[in-house]
Amino acid sequence: GESVGLHLPTLSVQEGDNSIINCAYSNSASDYFIWYKQESGKGPQFIIDIRSNMDKRQGQRVTVLLNKTVKHLSLQIAATQPGDSAVYFCAENRDAGGTSYGKLTFGQGTILTVHP
Amino acid sequence: ETGVTQSPTHLIKTRGQQVTLRCSSQSGHNTVSWYQQALGQGPQFIFQYYREEENGRGNFPPRFSGLQFPNYSSELNVNALELDDSALYLCASSLASLNTEAFFGQGTRLTVV
Repeated sequence: GESVGLHLPTLSVQEGDNSIINCAYSNSASDYFIWYKQESGKGPQFIIDIRSNMDKRQGQRVTVLLNKTVKHLSLQIAATQPGDSAVYFCAENRDAGGTSYGKLTFGQGTILTVHP
Repeated sequence: ETGVTQSPTHLIKTRGQQVTLRCSSQSGHNTVSWYQQALGQGPQFIFQYYREEENGRGNFPPRFSGLQFPNYSSELNVNALELDDSALYLCASSLASLNTEAFFGQGTRLTVV
């Protein structure tokens, strides 16, 4: 199966700064993308999603951008807070023939550290 | 809190043993997916259950098996445990439709010694 190294990308920011976390996805057939936040000892927590017919979607303090041409996804967090410190994963869903099949393929993950 | 509950939270097993992990899906959700997350990596899809049947499987051997019950809860069974099976096992529930968000439980930390 897919595997990634143990050395996750890291991003360190100051409290109040804006953060941008990037993700490259692998399959041009993927049509649904999700960002998850995972704190130590917890399961992934849904942040925001976007479908392939959109380029941008905004939530509360978060924005997801999708560039299908280069298969790139980004998560922007405005006014980053210490509570945002976590590992962030992007995930893609390759829907198979219109069924409810929902295999999520996760990206490598990025460690975000927010300094007070 | 997502409403997805997993048990037990931690488990230690010996190589060669069998283990059963349990998941209760969020109310109203009829699809359960299982993932394995090794330390420092992203979750990897094991399989998904819908209407009590397996509905898609990742690159995991047959000794990983599952069940879904009429109340949509699910079990993950792993036979002949290997040291590399040590990981966080995550359950995610969703509503069967085209691409709906999946909500994860807290996971079961399995250690094989």
